[in-house]
This record gives sequence, structure tokens and C-alpha cells, in this order.
Amino acid sequence: DGGITQSPKYLFRKEGQNVTLSCEQNLNHDAMYWYRQDPGQGLRLIYYSQIVNDFQKGDIAEGYSVSREKKESFPLTVTSAQKNPTAFYLCASRRGGGYTFGSGTRLTVV
Amino acid sequence: GIQVEQSPPDLILQEGANSTLRCNFSDSVNNLQWFHQNPWGQLINLFYIPSGTKQNGRLSATTVATERYSLLYISSSQTTDSGVYFCAVDGTYKYIFGTGTRLKVLA
Repeated sequence: DGGITQSPKYLFRKEGQNVTLSCEQNLNHDAMYWYRQDPGQGLRLIYYSQIVNDFQKGDIAEGYSVSREKKESFPLTVTSAQKNPTAFYLCASRRGGGYTFGSGTRLTVV
Repeated sequence: GIQVEQSPPDLILQEGANSTLRCNFSDSVNNLQWFHQNPWGQLINLFYIPSGTKQNGRLSATTVATERYSLLYISSSQTTDSGVYFCAVDGTYKYIFGTGTRLKVLA
């Protein structure tokens, strides 16, 4: 079945480390998105990509980086510049109509 | 940018009750989707409904694009309906989410 796979489900990061969250889709969707969700809050857009080799900053891009070298993959790196990275991260993809979301990665700074 | 407001913010129901969740948006949109976020965080697509009415079992949704609102109806609620319901709208290239309605259904 087609879908979006995010890994890992849980991730622990030490202060000062960069970590990369994986997002892979086999839906043949052109657009992909990364959202951040804090406890009890809605979703905020970090980065999005409409096509391969192109991506745009969302509303809270500072401290994050992405790449889009393949249509299927849109990894998110949380850098040491992100001062408060503990959150739930959701990846989504879309082609034309509605969005499909992955199951998310919970990142905790230890 | 587009503002999305959902009401009520919190809702507690007895099992079997019906409810209506509302989503208001401040500008014309191309797409609108309703999601249910389960206790594990997964966002489950309920309806893709930029306009009109759709039904899926006990759930139905109506979007009146000209008046900039959408309604999600839950009938005969069950404890498994608990969670957070989000409305998201798409003005151009990205979805903007409301802050959600937190629903708890009591047995």
C-alpha cells in the first residue's frame, strides 16, 4: 500500500547535536512538507518542497534544514541552532488534492 | 495570511451523543481538509472537502466556501472518537491549521 514512512518514531538528541529525521513516500506525490507540533498546539510549517531540488522556508524554518534530492525523500535536519527542538514532527505529501501525513517522530532533547 | 478558527476548543460528550465542530476561515481557499489526531499523534484524513457535503458512516462534513466556514458532524459518538480534530485550509502552496477541537467521549 502507498503511504508515508517517518523514522525513527522516537529520537533523543543531546545538546549541540544535529539530528536528521527521515521521511519517505511511495505515493508519487510532487509536494512534501514538514510540520512541527508542540504539546496542546496546532501544526506549524517548517519547510516545504513543490518539486525535486527545490524547497521553501515555512513559518518556523530557523534552526532547521532540508534537502530534496529525490521525489520520494524529504529529510529534515534539526541543527544545534534550534534552541527548543523538543516537539512532535510530522511529514506530509500531496499531489493535487488533500494531504497525506506520516505517523510522526517525537524528538526529545536530553 | 489566512486565519483559521475552530470552535469549540474543548468538548466533552457522553457516548451516543451528537456534536458539531466548526471551522471558520478568513479568506477564499482552494482546499479544506478535516483530520482526526489519535492519541498516538497520527493525523487521519477524515474529509477533503473544499465545498459541498460529504458523508462517511457516522461522520459528515459541509463546507460553505462563499461564507467561509465548514462544519464537521459526529453522530452517535463513541469513545474511539476521542482526540483532536483539526481543520486545515490551503490558500496557495501550504496548509494552515486551526488550533483544533479537543474531544473527549465518556463511556
